[in-house]
Amino acid sequence: GAGVSQSPRYKVAKRGQDVALRCDPISGHVSLFWYQQALGQGPEFLTYFQNEAQLDKSGLPSDRFFAERPEGSVSTLKIQRTQQEDSAVYLCASSLEGRGRDEQFFGPGTRLTVL
Amino acid sequence: TQLLEQSPQFLSIQEGENLTVYCNSSSVFSSLQWYRQEPGEGPVLLVTVVTGGEVKKLKRLTFQFGDARKDSSLHITAAQPGDTGLYLCAGANNYGQNFVFGPGTRLSVLP
Repeated sequence: GAGVSQSPRYKVAKRGQDVALRCDPISGHVSLFWYQQALGQGPEFLTYFQNEAQLDKSGLPSDRFFAERPEGSVSTLKIQRTQQEDSAVYLCASSLEGRGRDEQFFGPGTRLTVL
Repeated sequence: TQLLEQSPQFLSIQEGENLTVYCNSSSVFSSLQWYRQEPGEGPVLLVTVVTGGEVKKLKRLTFQFGDARKDSSLHITAAQPGDTGLYLCAGANNYGQNFVFGPGTRLSVLP
């Protein structure tokens, strides 16, 4: 289908490893969001891109988290030196223009487990 | 910091019953969205409300945005097992650059 896809769907990492999570947004969508969802909680905002520009990274929990969208389409969320508290589902969403009333289309998420 | 609270946290009802879930904040939002999320999937948008006092109906679902744009409610009539899921509200500022999600209400509709 033409929805948002994320890979891998599941990732198990040993504490201290680096991981890279990929998001393929809907073609033509200007805005891309990353969220972290802990078990039993709602998604928490991490960062926002408009095309290739990262306009808001205020939600990134530490400098171990880094996101990029170099060509304004595919995005990668990288977590360095993973810790157990990083275990969560990482959701990616895209929207056509990114205004507050635009619908966000979410991917299925990547479930990260840090041992 | 804009925070959203949702109540109840959990709700288990029988098929055919009516229910209302709430989303509250001390902050004003330019728009508010309701999503439903099923296990292993991302949230799916149900509705967006933008005007204080606005009421939107989507089949058996009725959404209301408070006059002051700080709170919202979702009412489901004659709930069905297919309504089971995590219901999330999310508020946005004017530029949509930072969406704040509530913790969700987990609804279970038993046949």
